[in-house]
Amino acid sequence: AQSVTQPDIHITVSEGASLELRCNYSYGATPYLFWYVQSPGQGLQLLLKYFSGDTLVQGIKGFEAEFKRSQSSFNLRKPSVHWSDAAEYFCAVGAYTGTASKLTFGTGTRLQVTL
Amino acid sequence: DAGVIQSPRHEVTEMGQEVTLRCKPISGHDYLFWYRQTMMRGLELLIYFNNNVPIDDSGMPEDRFSAKMPNASFSTLKIQPSEPRDSAVYFCASSLKRIYEQYFGPGTRLTVT
Repeated sequence: AQSVTQPDIHITVSEGASLELRCNYSYGATPYLFWYVQSPGQGLQLLLKYFSGDTLVQGIKGFEAEFKRSQSSFNLRKPSVHWSDAAEYFCAVGAYTGTASKLTFGTGTRLQVTL
Repeated sequence: DAGVIQSPRHEVTEMGQEVTLRCKPISGHDYLFWYRQTMMRGLELLIYFNNNVPIDDSGMPEDRFSAKMPNASFSTLKIQPSEPRDSAVYFCASSLKRIYEQYFGPGTRLTVT
């Protein structure tokens, strides 16, 4: 069965600093990978996705992520964080389970941005 | 365009009562998902529909939970009877063709006392 691990529960960065959120997945085949963001009191919003091809994918709000098959990772990055980026970030893997397709989410990383 | 609409946004009820959560997906979307989010278990898929037909309900915790999608623009998640451990935020999401690119509603925060 597929799984996603986000090893950092909580990260604090200063505004303007760079950001990297870690994500490791477990899946037997080529995965479909996603990053979603959840602002307080809101639903999740898709930031970016990887299906195939170029391993560096660009998303909304200046985010990017790199798929590294050898490391089973799909880390999210942003060169300069803004205060409005404070939110919870979820990595997810999309896979067929044998009976249905589903997204499996990690436990999330809460990002705090200090001014 | 309107996004996914959920109602109510907050629900407080007493143990044993019936709770009905409602969802209106984005117009034209053919997949609809119900998720539950708790601190302990994170985000869990409960059930999803394709063209109003339930495809996978393996995440529905027990018989107290049921979901319906009578038409393309409306779905309900019902809990009867409710228990305190059902307290969570319940999200509805929808997607068009691409099952993994989901648009989430704002959620319903359910508190069962």
